Amino acid sequence: GQSLEQPSEVTAVEGAIVQINCTYQTSGFYGLSWYQQHDGGAPTFLSYNALDGLEETGRFSSFLSRSDSYGYLLLQELQMKDSASYFCALSDDKIIFGKGTRLHILP
Amino acid sequence: DAGVIQSPRHEVTEMGQEVTLRCKPISGHNSLFWYRQTMMRGLELLIYFNNNVPIDDSGMPEDRFSAKMPNASFSTLKIQPSEPRDSAVYFCASSRDYNTDTQYFGPGTRLTVL
Repeated sequence: GQSLEQPSEVTAVEGAIVQINCTYQTSGFYGLSWYQQHDGGAPTFLSYNALDGLEETGRFSSFLSRSDSYGYLLLQELQMKDSASYFCALSDDKIIFGKGTRLHILP
Repeated sequence: DAGVIQSPRHEVTEMGQEVTLRCKPISGHNSLFWYRQTMMRGLELLIYFNNNVPIDDSGMPEDRFSAKMPNASFSTLKIQPSEPRDSAVYFCASSRDYNTDTQYFGPGTRLTVL
């Protein structure tokens, strides 16, 4: 079966860089996605890695290493509006979401 | 595009009543997903459709839950009879493809069963 593990909470300072890790156990998959969800809102797509390596989209980057069964989301120049929950999601015959990491940002 | 549309946005009902949640996917998207989100269990996939056909309903918790997609622009999730433990936020999402493409989520329906 498939399972994804990510930290339940992470705290960082405004202006800093934070990395949110996601480890998984699966026999094979198409890619790893990241979604952001603000309190009271719906998940919104951030990034997708089909291949190993780094994908950069503005202040956000995502990384995948299939050999290490590991990926991460990197947020740079943190802003208070980045306070949210972040989910990794695995695409196989369907999409499975991790439990989410709540990011707290301190001024 | 208006995005994924869900109705109602909020629903409060009493235990035993039937609840019907509605979803209109983004035009041109072939896949539609129903999720449930709670603090305890996180975001759970209930069922998904591809080209209006249910592909995987293994996440549907019980026979009390049913979902239909009569055409490419409309889907319903029905709970009958509802129970307090069904209280959650229910999201509908759509994508062009069910396993490799970005999913676009609707605003969700917050269901409270008293």
